[in-house]
Amino acid sequence: DGGITQSPKYLFRKEGQNVTLSCEQNLNHDAMYWYRQDPGQGLRLIYYSQIVNDFQKGDIAEGYSVSREKKESFPLTVTSAQKNPTAFYLCASSIDQQAYEQYFGPGTRLTVT
Amino acid sequence: AQSVTQPDIHITVSEGASLELRCNYSYGATPYLFWYVQSPGQGLQLLLKYFSGDTLVQGIKGFEAEFKRSQSSFNLRKPSVHWSDAAEYFCAVGWFTGGGNKLTFGTGTQLKVEL
Repeated sequence: DGGITQSPKYLFRKEGQNVTLSCEQNLNHDAMYWYRQDPGQGLRLIYYSQIVNDFQKGDIAEGYSVSREKKESFPLTVTSAQKNPTAFYLCASSIDQQAYEQYFGPGTRLTVT
Repeated sequence: AQSVTQPDIHITVSEGASLELRCNYSYGATPYLFWYVQSPGQGLQLLLKYFSGDTLVQGIKGFEAEFKRSQSSFNLRKPSVHWSDAAEYFCAVGWFTGGGNKLTFGTGTQLKVEL
């Protein structure tokens, strides 16, 4: 079965700690995306990558970092510099940088206390 | 700049009744439009998309949407709602940037279905 997996489903961290969220896809898609979802605010783009070893900042990149060393993987690190890290994080992919249609993973809910 | 407005935060309908969720977009060029559905605690599933051609598009689960350029709208409809349709619905517009294509999402409409 092809798809996007995100792990873990729930993640708890203490304030001041960095945490890395996993996103893996076996769709052979070139492009991958990270979104943050907060109640009543829709989805906001954090980072995106059109190709391996390349990525760009989205609308709310401050306090986050990513890497794209493999086509299948696009991990997101939430750093201690992110002021309000508690949120639902969604990873998505699309066939290539020309495509608009995105496919989503099941999400990770991060709670920082 | 591109934007998407979903004016209804919450909508409640009775099972079997018809449904229309509103979506208005702002984008200078020809829009690529999408509707996604999200069940609680889950990812987003694509319901339907409009790229060009026929302005009435059919999607999964019996949903359809109509693109009206003159009104900058892409409203989602279903003739008869089922209890399992209760979820949050997001409209999105796709647009081109120098760094690739992106989606801008509306803030969502939460649908409640009364039995």
